[in-house]
Amino acid sequence: GQQVMQIPQYQHVQEGEDFTTYCNSSTTLSNIQWYKQRPGGHPVFLIQLVKSGEVKKQKRLTFQFGEAKKNSSLHITATQTTDVGTYFCAGPHSGGSNYKLTFGKGTLLTVNP
Amino acid sequence: GAGVSQSPSNKVTEKGKDVELRCDPISGHTALYWYRQSLGQGLEFLIYFQGNSAPDKSGLPSDRFSAERTGGSVSTLTIQRTQQEDSAVYLCASNTGGGSYNEQFFGPGTRLTVL
Repeated sequence: GQQVMQIPQYQHVQEGEDFTTYCNSSTTLSNIQWYKQRPGGHPVFLIQLVKSGEVKKQKRLTFQFGEAKKNSSLHITATQTTDVGTYFCAGPHSGGSNYKLTFGKGTLLTVNP
Repeated sequence: GAGVSQSPSNKVTEKGKDVELRCDPISGHTALYWYRQSLGQGLEFLIYFQGNSAPDKSGLPSDRFSAERTGGSVSTLTIQRTQQEDSAVYLCASNTGGGSYNEQFFGPGTRLTVL
């Protein structure tokens, strides 16, 4: 079945350092979504990428979708303590169920002030 | 406006008991999802409802799990004869349908602990 892998599983940084999490799918994705879950909270949608090679920015966050549409990355510049949380990527399930998202296991980011 | 709500927020039960978890989606959202999130894990798809269509139950882990959605709005996830491995956070999400191209709005979840 389809797998969505995320690395690293954990990342601890000093405030001000950059952070990147990578997402890899075993199959080509029609689109990919990123969610953030604060400790004790629920996932909140960040962004969706659809086009091959697409790059989108949200302030200090930069999202990329690979040319082959099988991988994606989220890069945070100059992390802040407010960036703490788990970042999940999610892609539609292959094999026809386009409403069903397969989530990666997430990358937990902690930031030392 | 109001987001997705879930109740109870926490549920502690004894092994073998039945539990019911409730989800109120955002008004007007035709699609509703249930997920299970175990500690430190990603989101495991359980079931999907879309309008009046037959639900996609392919993610339910066993026949002890069932869900219904009444009137196209509120949904209830029922777990019968709970086991300790059922302990997890159960998340509900809704959106306007349209497949995977629409973001999902998540509720706060129900933390289930089976003793």
